[in-house]
Amino acid sequence: DQQVKQNSPSLSVQEGRISILNCDYTNSMFDYFLWYKKYPAEGPTFLISISSIKDKNEDGRFTVFLNKSAKHLSLHIVPSQPGDSAVYFCAASAGGILNNAGNMLTFGGGTRLMVKP
Amino acid sequence: GAGVSQTPSNKVTEKGKYVELRCDPISGHTALYWYRQSLGQGPEFLIYFQGTGAADDSGLPNDRFFAVRPEGSVSTLKIQRTERGDSAVYLCASSPQGLASGELFFGEGSRLTVL
Repeated sequence: DQQVKQNSPSLSVQEGRISILNCDYTNSMFDYFLWYKKYPAEGPTFLISISSIKDKNEDGRFTVFLNKSAKHLSLHIVPSQPGDSAVYFCAASAGGILNNAGNMLTFGGGTRLMVKP
Repeated sequence: GAGVSQTPSNKVTEKGKYVELRCDPISGHTALYWYRQSLGQGPEFLIYFQGTGAADDSGLPNDRFFAVRPEGSVSTLKIQRTERGDSAVYLCASSPQGLASGELFFGEGSRLTVL
């Protein structure tokens, strides 16, 4: 039972255009969502996060949108750059960020983004 | 370096052998996590330590897998009687307590291949 799903295994975008990566979740207990980026032979690196009390969080070229009623979030990258080419993972957590419960993240399967020059 | 360090980076072993994978977290991080990533999939949670104790080991697939963190810093993931299905990249991550962003800091992983 996959609680976090990224239905597009790959996405190809032209440099300078917008990249939109999507993520769906099923567990209504999730209250914190994160996006990670992963280059080959490296560990995932944190990109941006959003709490369930918000519907948008922006950091430079990266914006994450959360639609709780649809249990859907998306990552927008604009403008896309060739260096953004990587695998992007959506992750979710339930009720543990600011207490002692730790931060067990549930990851989606990833979307490979290719930004063409 | 200042990041999470994992050794070995690559391990090839034969079916039935015993394997240890080591993780050295970022200094001062109280929480340590082990994840496993199979080809074409996202990281899958295995176990989480808060200090020396395993706070949640619900992700360990069976009793062949065991992890320790005896002094609250370095952790070792131990796999007994390895099977071909154990082949994956084993990722370690650490985090300080109560980080508002919820971020985990990952190492580069240990790639395990069981022949």
